[in-house]
Parts: sequence; structure tokens; C-alpha cells
Amino acid sequence: AQSVTQPDIHITVSEGASLELRCNYSYGATPYLFWYVQSPGQGLQLLLKYFSGDTLVQGIKGFEAEFKRSQSSFNLRKPSVHWSDAAEYFCAVGTSGRGSTLGRLYFGRGTQLTVWP
Amino acid sequence: KAGVTQTPRYLIKTRGQQVTLSCSPISGHRSVSWYQQTPGQGLQFLFEYFSETQRNKGNFPGRFSGRQFSNSRSEMNVSTLELGDSALYLCASSYTTGGQNTEAFFGQGTRLTVV
Repeated sequence: AQSVTQPDIHITVSEGASLELRCNYSYGATPYLFWYVQSPGQGLQLLLKYFSGDTLVQGIKGFEAEFKRSQSSFNLRKPSVHWSDAAEYFCAVGTSGRGSTLGRLYFGRGTQLTVWP
Repeated sequence: KAGVTQTPRYLIKTRGQQVTLSCSPISGHRSVSWYQQTPGQGLQFLFEYFSETQRNKGNFPGRFSGRQFSNSRSEMNVSTLELGDSALYLCASSYTTGGQNTEAFFGQGTRLTVV
């Protein structure tokens, strides 16, 4: 069955420090991978996506992520964090299959990011 | 291009009542999905509609239902509300090519509180 694991529930970093949020997935074929960000009481904003091709993808707000098939991972990175990056981050997997997986995303439980000034 | 619009943003209902939430997708998107978000269960898939047909359904009781109209707008309905239905309900729309959805764009959500 498809699943997504975000091992870190809460991460705290200082402003200007680098950031890496971890994401591991379970899916038998090549997945479609996404990172979303959510501010309190708001919807989800798409940061970046991976469908195929170059395994290092660039997103908005200076974020990037790398797809590593051998590790079933899609970690999110940012070289220098800003206070405005404080939010909750969700990794999600979409599938190319049919049937019960069609049209849905599988989400991790999220990582809450706190940024110290 | 306008984003995904969900109405209303906030709702307070009493146990046993029913509620209808609305979602207008991005123009040109024919797939609409619904998710329930709670602190305890995280983001859970409710159902997905494409061209007025439900293509997929999550593991929710029959009290949760939805539909999609010919203009791709979607509604979800929850009948006989329970306290545990209090949640943020998120709608997402996707462009579909070859039957496969591309990335999902989410609305701001409807915060439902059941008292």
C-alpha cells in the first residue's frame, strides 16, 4: 500500500541556517512527488513537484528537493531559512496507477518548522 | 487565473444537522478532490470527482457524500453531523491529461465546527 513518512514532527532552526526536511514513501512504481506548505488556518500551497526527469527539482521560495529512488526519499532543502518559512510542511505522493489510487494524494503527517530569529 | 475557491470559510453546526460545502476549481480543471484535515488523523482523502463522476472514494462513512456539476464545481455534504466531524475540509483541483491528474491546487478550506 502507498504511504508517506515524515520522520520529524517538529524542527527548529535559526534564521539563516540551512534546512532539510525528510520524506520517505512506499510505492511500487515511479511516484509523483510533491511538497506542500501550510500556514495556520490556511490551505496547502504547492512548493514543488517531481514527475520525471531530473531528480533535483527547484520550487518556489528558494526550496529544492531531490528524488532518490534507491532510498525511496524526496527530501526538501533550503540553504538559508527565513522567519517567514515557519509553517507546516507536507510531503505527498500521487500515483500513476488506476483503481483505488486514481486521483488521490497520500500525505505524510507533516513537519512543523519553527524559525528562531 | 483565479485559484480554487471554497465557501463558506467557516461554519458552526449542531450535532445531527447536515452541512453542504462548495468548491469552485481552477478554470479548465475537471478533477476535484476533497480532504479532511484534523490534528489527530492528519490529511485524509474523502473522494475525487472527474467529469461529474466519482472516480475514487476514501474510507469514510456514507454520511459523507459529494457531487460534481457540469461546470466542474463540486459540493460535499455531511449528514447527521457528529462532534468528530469538526475539521478543516480542503478541496483541490487538478488538470487532467490522459486520465491522469497533474499537481493538485488547494483552496483555503472550510473550517467546520460541530457543537
